[in-house]
Amino acid sequence: DAGITQSPRHKVTETGTPVTLRCHQTENHRYMYWYRQDPGHGLRLIHYSYGVKDTDKGEVSDGYSVSRSKTEDFLLTLESATSSQTSVYFCAINNDLYSNQPQHFGDGTRLSIL
Amino acid sequence: KNEVEQSPQNLTAQEGEFITINCSYSVGISALHWLQQHPGGGIVSLFMLSSGKKKHGRLIATINIQEKHSSLHITASHPRDSAVYICAVHSPIQGAQKLVFGQGTRLTINP
Repeated sequence: DAGITQSPRHKVTETGTPVTLRCHQTENHRYMYWYRQDPGHGLRLIHYSYGVKDTDKGEVSDGYSVSRSKTEDFLLTLESATSSQTSVYFCAINNDLYSNQPQHFGDGTRLSIL
Repeated sequence: KNEVEQSPQNLTAQEGEFITINCSYSVGISALHWLQQHPGGGIVSLFMLSSGKKKHGRLIATINIQEKHSSLHITASHPRDSAVYICAVHSPIQGAQKLVFGQGTRLTINP
């Protein structure tokens, strides 16, 4: 299995607080992705990174920011959490942006905003 | 209308039955992925297809590019196959490797 670790695995917090989720990989893969998964929706891309300090927005990026200061870590930050951001968040990695290689997923972070 | 539609959304069957899950998409694609998500959340890639058919054990995936349709088949189904199966397409229109996901099919195999 690809070495991807998400932390924390579960978090409960209050509306208006900042939250940071971490994705750590040991595969030295160039590309990293953050998705959210909600009932009635498929996985939706929040942000992705194509290298250190190189990131771009996905389809549901409002309210989220990301940072990648080193290859192995991709951080997702909710600056001021809202109840609509209650979701399960998945990190994924792969090593070739333009090929059709599968992405490898982390185990997910279940985030509840009260 | 979603760009990737799966059917059925839920499927319950008895052990040993032949299972078919369908995926239709409306965009041009360069590849289609089938993923499996077990209770507890982990997502693993089962197949990546750009044409024809692929087989791995009891799982078979087919794709018809002209009809924009793919199917995932499970032969001799077993309770351990119970999971959510997700179809995702890699569309070059989206740029880079931005996958577009279906909503998933929840499969339950009863002993």
